[in-house]
Amino acid sequence: QSALTQPRSVSGSPGQSVTISCTGTSSDVGAYKYVSWYQQHPGKAPRLMIYDVNRRPSGAPDRFSGSKSGNTASLSISGLQAEDEADYYCCSYAGSYTWVFGGGTKLTVL
Amino acid sequence: VQLEQSGAEVKKPGASVRVSCKASGYTFNNYGISWVRQAPGQGLEWMGWISAYNGNTKYAQKVQGRVTLTTDTSSSTAYMELRSLRSDDTAVYYCAREGLVHFDYWGQGTQVTVSS
Repeated sequence: QSALTQPRSVSGSPGQSVTISCTGTSSDVGAYKYVSWYQQHPGKAPRLMIYDVNRRPSGAPDRFSGSKSGNTASLSISGLQAEDEADYYCCSYAGSYTWVFGGGTKLTVL
Repeated sequence: VQLEQSGAEVKKPGASVRVSCKASGYTFNNYGISWVRQAPGQGLEWMGWISAYNGNTKYAQKVQGRVTLTTDTSSSTAYMELRSLRSDDTAVYYCAREGLVHFDYWGQGTQVTVSS
């Protein structure tokens, strides 16, 4: 199972919007509506930000949104804030109780 | 909901390690538990899943044959045992509650260091 492909880094200024892509295959991202996104600050455990492609758990800011088209999912963050600077990982269900993560994207708030 | 993991471990190559993950604040049997590891400076890697309801397991190909996941429903605790440790197993190991195909709560992580 190969890792999903994410850009190594993205950046944006406070108040701007950024989008992080996550490309998989027809066996994972393309096959299921079960893409989730996790935020991880240095030295901390990951935190769920988006699940089922575009649903936000309670507590996740509505500045975070998700989408999917074919084998590529995306996480968008609007109104960037300094606290959004972190690593972001996508994750897709791949069937038969297996999952695959993306390589991670470092978001820098300029 | 809380997942409390056991403390850091230092092991020699070839040894085994067992990490525990004690759940509280929810009905343990109603959810699965996945284990995810993160090598230094690297990304997240899914290792395996266990159903706390019936003990069914699924492992990633990379660790298949070296890892065993178990649960103790009487204490709401999940365990991950990794055998034949090598240096590239050095990582922070996380347990995460699997709630309907995503991971909604995570443990604090357990550092496992493999060094001679």
